[in-house]
Amino acid sequence: AQKVTQAQTEISVVEKEDVTLDCVYETRDTTYYLFWYKQPPSGELVFLIRRNSFDEQNEISGRYSWNFQKSTSSFNFTITASQVVDSAVYFCALSEARGNTPLVFGKGTRLSVIA
Amino acid sequence: EPEVTQTPSHQVTQMGQEVILRCVPISNHLYFYWYRQILGQKVEFLVSFYNNEISEKSEIFDDQFSVERPDGSNFTLKIRSTKLEDSAMYFCGGRLAVADYEQYFGPGTRLTVT
Repeated sequence: AQKVTQAQTEISVVEKEDVTLDCVYETRDTTYYLFWYKQPPSGELVFLIRRNSFDEQNEISGRYSWNFQKSTSSFNFTITASQVVDSAVYFCALSEARGNTPLVFGKGTRLSVIA
Repeated sequence: EPEVTQTPSHQVTQMGQEVILRCVPISNHLYFYWYRQILGQKVEFLVSFYNNEISEKSEIFDDQFSVERPDGSNFTLKIRSTKLEDSAMYFCGGRLAVADYEQYFGPGTRLTVT
């Protein structure tokens, strides 16, 4: 069975601080996909990134970066120089690489960035 | 940029009533999903749909739930007899193809059962 664990329920940081959101996953599949979604206070789910299990290169997109480590089954998300607009709930998710497979979400981490 | 749309944004209904939540997926998407999120909790999979039939469903998706794609554009979730515990945000999602696993979601419908 697949499982995603986001151990940090809530994090508060002061603006301009860096913050890392942790994600640990469990799967028996050798090929799978990992995702991060952002849920701002308005409630929608915004896709941020997809990572394939066979591609362990870290990725940077502006202030966002992702560290995928297969050896520790982790896919952590770092926001550099956080801003108030980053305040949201962030969900890590996992899916198998087959057919019409659903996403399995973690419980989310609520990030509050204080000005 | 194409978006998934969902209507209504908020639905209030009495226990025992039927509700239909509507979604218009992105036009070239082939795979469709419904998820729900009880307030403050994680997002949970309900059902996936491809080629006009259900591909997979979770244990949440019992006989009270049904999905349809009646006209090739709309994708609906029906709850036949709502219960208090059906109160949640319902998200419609879609993706383009088998090799593209990114699911894009609509803004959600908040269902409140009183």
